[in-house]
Amino acid sequence: SQQGEEDPQALSIQEGENATMNCSYKTSINNLQWYRQNSGRGLVHLILIRSNEREKHSGRLRVTLDTSKKSSSLLITASRAADTASYFCATGDSGYSTLTFGKGTMLLVSP
Amino acid sequence: NAGVMQNPRHLVRRRGQEARLRCSPMKGHSHVYWYRQLPEEGLKFMVYLQKENIIDESGMPKERFSAEFPKEGPSILRIQQVVRGDSAAYFCASSPREGSTNIQYFGAGTRLSVL
Repeated sequence: SQQGEEDPQALSIQEGENATMNCSYKTSINNLQWYRQNSGRGLVHLILIRSNEREKHSGRLRVTLDTSKKSSSLLITASRAADTASYFCATGDSGYSTLTFGKGTMLLVSP
Repeated sequence: NAGVMQNPRHLVRRRGQEARLRCSPMKGHSHVYWYRQLPEEGLKFMVYLQKENIIDESGMPKERFSAEFPKEGPSILRIQQVVRGDSAAYFCASSPREGSTNIQYFGAGTRLSVL
């Protein structure tokens, strides 16, 4: 079964608003990563948060991780039309190289 | 520094034919991962390879699918006797070393259509 499950499945907002996406997972993890996929393209890594970290920032991105609830959130502040894409969380197990992806949240940012 | 290169970008095959998908990892990367993505779905892990070795093929169907990463040349994902259900986007990713904290760098994918 899927390790990561994103919520919501789809999100539609206006430029300038903030977008929040959530990810839940089932088993213990070493780290959690967020990726973006533009339509018809490959995935691009956004940010990685380790299991011993609670929050991380990168530009307009803010990621939180709550290992007790097995959940993570990705916040995009001051969204732009160019942020329109699908966003996936992926979990990595300790000492293991493969990642397990969720089904993604499709974000639409309207001008 | 070229990224992960996949070819072809689009591949059309008739049922029963063979499909060969190629992936050249980023320069200096010796770890390759193949994923399959169905429409409206996330990526499903298929196989993880290092040069000349299959490390984890737990996501590969037992029949008709095989993968290799030879000492020289690209990694190849081979699907024999394709069926309509094989239609999907196949993505390759590479990383410089093992360990799940490594970022994976993805290619643009190969979209396989089986008629």
